[in-house]
Formats: sequence, structure tokens, C-alpha cells
Amino acid sequence: ETGVTQSPTHLIKTRGQQVTLRCSSQSGHNTVSWYQQALGQGPQFIFQYYREEENGRGNFPPRFSGLQFPNYSSELNVNALELDDSALYLCASSSDLAQPQHFGDGTRLSIL
Amino acid sequence: GIQVEQSPPDLILQEGANSTLRCNFSDSVNNLQWFHQNPWGQLINLFYIPSGTKQNGRLSATTVATERYSLLYISSSQTTDSGVYFCAVSFGGFKTIFGAGTRLFVKA
Repeated sequence: ETGVTQSPTHLIKTRGQQVTLRCSSQSGHNTVSWYQQALGQGPQFIFQYYREEENGRGNFPPRFSGLQFPNYSSELNVNALELDDSALYLCASSSDLAQPQHFGDGTRLSIL
Repeated sequence: GIQVEQSPPDLILQEGANSTLRCNFSDSVNNLQWFHQNPWGQLINLFYIPSGTKQNGRLSATTVATERYSLLYISSSQTTDSGVYFCAVSFGGFKTIFGAGTRLFVKA
């Protein structure tokens, strides 16, 4: 059984740029959630996708957007990058809503 | 919104010691998970435990949903247990809130 995979593992961008992070969900999972984890803090919920539709969103501005594809893989897009966007971005998939979440290894994003 | 508080924030143990980590939450939740984040940042599932008690080797967890708390027990700690332990609660069908974590260091 293939777990959750994220790409790239590391990324360096400059302020104002745009970035796309990718996540392949675990086989059989239809729900994907994205989190931002700043250094020394717990992960913060960005949004969740369920069967290709956004199912809920945390307190993040609209420049954070996402997609879920028919194979249930997902993308996180961030526009107009700011220094505070530097963080570990984690993707988690689950077999359905309110089921256990399984996390990928994350993408470390650094903004210069 | 729901508040999730973990205690203690930091813990240093001698190898072989036992410990109890606590997670309090302020409202009813759909589910609760415990995770271990290793020094490389990987979040490892420990327990999915919206209620009741579960055990997995040296680890066990208990959630008392009616009293809004969960406990994670680590027995005979090992240096590889070091890292950050997070409690995460989900509610409203989608939103998940993580606590601030307990940072554990196990000395050899």
C-alpha cells in the first residue's frame, strides 16, 4: 500500500512569487487536507478536499487555494508569497470524512 | 472555536522511565488522533481514539470524551521516543485542530 507522497521535498522562492505543492493521497483515500506548520508550532489547518470539492477552510487568505483531481491527488497553490509563508506544508489523506488522517513527509518552503 | 491544550509542554526523561501526556479539548469532537513528529518532521500516527482505550506495544491511550480529555502513556521510554507529540481533534466534519505539542527528550 503506497502512503501519502508530497513533492517537492524542499523549495526556495522569493517574495511575490507563486508556488504549487503536490500531494498524492494514499490508495483508496478520497479526502485530502493541507496544513501549514511554522517552526516550533503545531500544524495549522488550511483546507480540506473531499471528492474533488473544497469541504472546509481554516483561517487562511484567498491567496491559498487548492485543487483535488479525479484520482484524489491534490495541489496547494500559494500566490504573492510572503516571508511568513516560510513553513513545512503537510498533506494528509483519509479514507473518508472524519476518518484517521495519514500524513506525507511534507514540503519545506523557504521564502527569501 | 475549539481550544486544544497539551501538557506538559516539555518533558525530559531518563531512558526506561514512564510518562503521561495530556490533551484537553474545549468542546465535543468527532475524532481524536495522537501523532509523534520525529526530528525529521515526519508525523507518525500513534492512535485514532475518539473514545475508549487502546494499546500498541509500549504506548497506550485513553480518551474520555464526556470529560473532554485524552491521555497518552509511554512506558519504558527509549531514546527513539524523542520528538514532539501532538494531539489533534476534528469537528464539524472537516476541521482539525492540533495542540501545541509536548516536546519529549529521552536521555540515554
